[in-house]
Amino acid sequence: EAGVVQSPRYKIIEKKQPVAFWCNPISGHNTLYWYRQNLGQGPELLIRYENEEAVDDSQLPKDRFSAERLKGVDSTLKIQPAELGDSAVYLCASSFRLGMFFGPGTRLTVL
Amino acid sequence: GNSVTQMEGPVTLSEEAFLTINCTYTATGYPSLFWYVQYPGEGLQLLLKATKADDKGSNKGFEATYRKETTSFHLEKGSVQVSDSAVYFCALSLSETSGSRLTFGEGTQLTVNP
Repeated sequence: EAGVVQSPRYKIIEKKQPVAFWCNPISGHNTLYWYRQNLGQGPELLIRYENEEAVDDSQLPKDRFSAERLKGVDSTLKIQPAELGDSAVYLCASSFRLGMFFGPGTRLTVL
Repeated sequence: GNSVTQMEGPVTLSEEAFLTINCTYTATGYPSLFWYVQYPGEGLQLLLKATKADDKGSNKGFEATYRKETTSFHLEKGSVQVSDSAVYFCALSLSETSGSRLTFGEGTQLTVNP
């Protein structure tokens, strides 16, 4: 069974540019999460979806971040415009019953 | 609010040494507790979990016991290997099956030398 797939794995952009990350969760997993992991820290939740509904987005900086999960499967996280402080690893995870499974993450560097 | 505190790293051990990584938590309600491991260049993987007080989670020689009285979930392994070198994260969730958010500690870098 394939795991959580994320792309791209690495992204380098200049500040003020837009960027988007894509996630394909494990088949059948209704719950999808986006976490941000700053260097040397644990992941912090940005948004959680149950199917196509965002049920917990209290930590998502809505002035520049947006996310969508069309048809309750794949998800896209977007930052526009990016700031230097957005440099981090963006992790996607999915869960059903037996626990949370993480993708390899996208490492974003904002110059 | 909910929070997790891990012992500061990095931790450096010789092969076959005993490992303890301390983890304490603060939570409203009765959380489930987890240890995740992150190998270089890879995503987080669930190592073990415990869902109620006095439960012991175990996997790959690692163990952790849910201690409600001390609000702790320390990770232990009797004999570490070079392949155990990774970052270890303690986490809690208010849902047994991780249906809600995970709150992570800051992680502890472990390096095992041959």
